[in-house]
Amino acid sequence: DAGVIQSPRHEVTEMGQEVTLRCKPISGHNSLFWYRQTMMRGLELLIYFNNNVPIDDSGMPEDRFSAKMPNASFSTLKIQPSEPRDSAVYFCASRQGGDNQPQHFGDGTRLSIL
Amino acid sequence: AQSVAQPEDQVNVAEGNPLTVKCTYSVSGNPYLFWYVQYPNRGLQFLLKYITGDNLVKGSYGFEAEFNKSQTSFHLKKPSALVSDSALYFCAVGSNYKLTFGKGTLLTVNP
Repeated sequence: DAGVIQSPRHEVTEMGQEVTLRCKPISGHNSLFWYRQTMMRGLELLIYFNNNVPIDDSGMPEDRFSAKMPNASFSTLKIQPSEPRDSAVYFCASRQGGDNQPQHFGDGTRLSIL
Repeated sequence: AQSVAQPEDQVNVAEGNPLTVKCTYSVSGNPYLFWYVQYPNRGLQFLLKYITGDNLVKGSYGFEAEFNKSQTSFHLKKPSALVSDSALYFCAVGSNYKLTFGKGTLLTVNP
């Protein structure tokens, strides 16, 4: 079975550029999560969608960050304009059911902002 | 608010020896507890979960975890470690749709 698919796996871009990260969740999963992982801060939840609707975006660091989920099989996380401190690994995860079910993670996008 | 503590940043064990990775949690109500493993340049992989029932939970790759309500702990264990178990391990508590992760424990199994 296909897992959560993220693209690109690596992104290197210059400060000020727009960055778009993509995620395809596991088919049939009704929840989608975006995380950021850094050495200093560990894993941080950025935003949570349920049935394609954003439920909690309190973890989105600034207005420069935005996320969309136009349908059940696709989500994007956009950073505009990007800054060096945005450099991190960004993970997408999906889940079927409620809190007692595990989240399934993609392999992440390693983002470097120069 | 919920929280997870993994008191050891690193754990080193010899291959064939038992391993334990410690986790304590704080959450109001009944906890949903999870263990994940992360290999280099990969996402987190689900190992096992505790929802209710038996305090000893068995998961993937021979791992198990023991839930202790009085000590609010959920330690990960394996009777005989393999070199291939070397990875970063995360404990997490789930509540109100969120997973709160510990900072992770780097497990190194020496041949």
